[in-house]
Amino acid sequence: SAVISQKPSRDICQRGTSLTIQCQVDSQVTMMFWYRQQPGQSLTLIATANQGSEATYESGFVIDKFPISRPNLTFSTLTVSNMSPEDSSIYLCSIIPDREQKTQYFGPGTRLLVL
Amino acid sequence: LAKTTQPISMDSYEGQEVNITCSHNNIATNDYITWYQQFPSQGPRFIIQGYKTKVTNEVASLFIPADRKSSTLSLPRVSLSDTAVYYCLVVDDKIIFGKGTRLHILP
Repeated sequence: SAVISQKPSRDICQRGTSLTIQCQVDSQVTMMFWYRQQPGQSLTLIATANQGSEATYESGFVIDKFPISRPNLTFSTLTVSNMSPEDSSIYLCSIIPDREQKTQYFGPGTRLLVL
Repeated sequence: LAKTTQPISMDSYEGQEVNITCSHNNIATNDYITWYQQFPSQGPRFIIQGYKTKVTNEVASLFIPADRKSSTLSLPRVSLSDTAVYYCLVVDDKIIFGKGTRLHILP
């Protein structure tokens, strides 16, 4: 399976600031996603990161708050903008290398604490 | 979107076989059934995937009846390190996580 890395692994931020999270994959993949996991909760899909076009956001998530870039097939960024304490979560990127079976692989996550 | 239902939590003891059942009544013809394991502070890890009947790998077995409206993840001889949250997913166009089952293995 592909190796997925995320930067930073964790951060503590002040409210009102923004943080950009990077996701790097060691092979080219078409399907890449961003999830949020709040403390003690399951994973919530934020958006699908589409290479060469705008991301597709799920209900409750908007581009102004969570802008996503996908400049190529191995890299994506998620920015958490104008942060508030409610944004404190683990943010995970994931990939699906095989479109038919749709087995999903996750990065290690970025743990964000907003004060 | 196919929705899954699984027990919120389960307890078992070391050395026992653990079976976690998931129901997915609205599964579509082309959907696969996939199980993930998640430890605290880590991303979910793929365990096993199946379409019908039985699938076995070095970690677990997955049993799927003919109607595919449910599936059972079987973990043989669990250890303390199997304490985790286990997610059952029916994979269609969007991959949506349910609440998962918190499995607690006792010594």
